[in-house]
Amino acid sequence: GAVVSQHPSRVICKSGTSVKIECRSLDFQATTMFWYRQFPKKSLMLMATSNEGSKATYEQGVEKDKFLINHASLTLSTLTVTSAHPEDSSFYICSARDSRGPRYGYTFGSGTRLTVV
Amino acid sequence: QQQVKQSPQSLIVQKGGISIINCAYENTAFDYFPWYQQFPGKGPALLIAIRPDVSEKKEGRFTISFNKSAKQFSLHIMDSQPGDSATYFCAASMDGSQGNLIFGKGTKLSVKP
Repeated sequence: GAVVSQHPSRVICKSGTSVKIECRSLDFQATTMFWYRQFPKKSLMLMATSNEGSKATYEQGVEKDKFLINHASLTLSTLTVTSAHPEDSSFYICSARDSRGPRYGYTFGSGTRLTVV
Repeated sequence: QQQVKQSPQSLIVQKGGISIINCAYENTAFDYFPWYQQFPGKGPALLIAIRPDVSEKKEGRFTISFNKSAKQFSLHIMDSQPGDSATYFCAASMDGSQGNLIFGKGTKLSVKP
């Protein structure tokens, strides 16, 4: 089945530094990838939609200058949390949609636990 | 407003029992309804999905029932096992659009031995 690899699974960083999270579709092409944030015991909150070769579309309230998204190829999207602060600590999850269309489903990565100290 | 309402928030079932989770949606343009299972510290994994042209889909112990007129769909887990203990999310999306999934708030299922 479709596999999405997300790295790192856990990261601890100091306040003020930047952290990059990678999301790769391993066996399919993904024109569109999605980035979510999940708070403890809560549902997934869509942060942004990433389209290969174009600028990401951010949801209302999400700072695009803080959460930089790059989708340079059909198999890779990255989320960079810039100038991280403790309130950015969260569980970040990516999802990739098969380029053949949503009928082929969405596949999620295993998530990244970010802790900013 | 695009919303997917999920209930109950939490559910405790005895081993061997039936777990039932319900979702309701508002936007009739939705045409893809997946259920995801999520274990702590992991990403969601697709469990089963249905499209509105069928009223029921079964895969092993998992069944989706879909009521298009009522704009409701539900997940039934037969012979529930302790290993099924997880958080379940229903979702909906529209074909042909940008296609992001709209998630329900989740149901934490605990199956007691």
